Amino acid sequence: ETGVTQTPRHLVMGMTNKKSLKCEQHLGHNAMYWYKQSAKKPLELMFVYSLEERVENNSVPSRFSPECPNSSHLFLHLHTLQPEDSALYLCASSPASGGFYTGELFFGEGSRLTVL
Amino acid sequence: DAKTTQPNSMESNEEEPVHLPCNHSTISGTDYIHWYRQLPSQGPEYVIHGLTSNVNNRMASLAIAEDRKSSTLILHRATLRDAAVYYCILRDYQGGSEKLVFGKGTKLTVNP
Repeated sequence: ETGVTQTPRHLVMGMTNKKSLKCEQHLGHNAMYWYKQSAKKPLELMFVYSLEERVENNSVPSRFSPECPNSSHLFLHLHTLQPEDSALYLCASSPASGGFYTGELFFGEGSRLTVL
Repeated sequence: DAKTTQPNSMESNEEEPVHLPCNHSTISGTDYIHWYRQLPSQGPEYVIHGLTSNVNNRMASLAIAEDRKSSTLILHRATLRDAAVYYCILRDYQGGSEKLVFGKGTKLTVNP
């Protein structure tokens, strides 16, 4: 139990569907992240939010739309996905650095997405 | 981001020590060395990090070479639950957020 909860754990969707992944943390952290883990590939950083502002977008296609309404919640809205988007989507959080580096990300267990 | 190089896989026997190597020859003076591990069907889990001195915690020890171009994660007594993919990552502490770029890692198999 890391304190980062992701729902749903498994999601199957068609290419025309719209769905959302949810991440929640109650660790008092101010930074949140989305990572993508495809089969046989390293984890890829998708988005970074710091104090609810997006500070990093790693050239992610617009069919993935993140939302961070407050420091405890992070969403990834999905629409018109492709089969190659099937992967494990991982959320993580960390304390705001504020000049002091803690060195630790806390990951959720991930949402396994299958696009048909 | 500076790169790290790790063996694709390693094997160990239960209750024996395990030394997982990592090369980072392009490390800069402000890069911290981090280790994470990912157990099957779970998200990555923080193991340890350090800058220059060797570090110990309840999970592992981190030995950092004097020139900082390599490091070794040491599991003192491997258990079956230590079977995972271990990632060695560099992170520049001057960054505004904790952005970590993962490589392929080392898959550790622990034999009973």
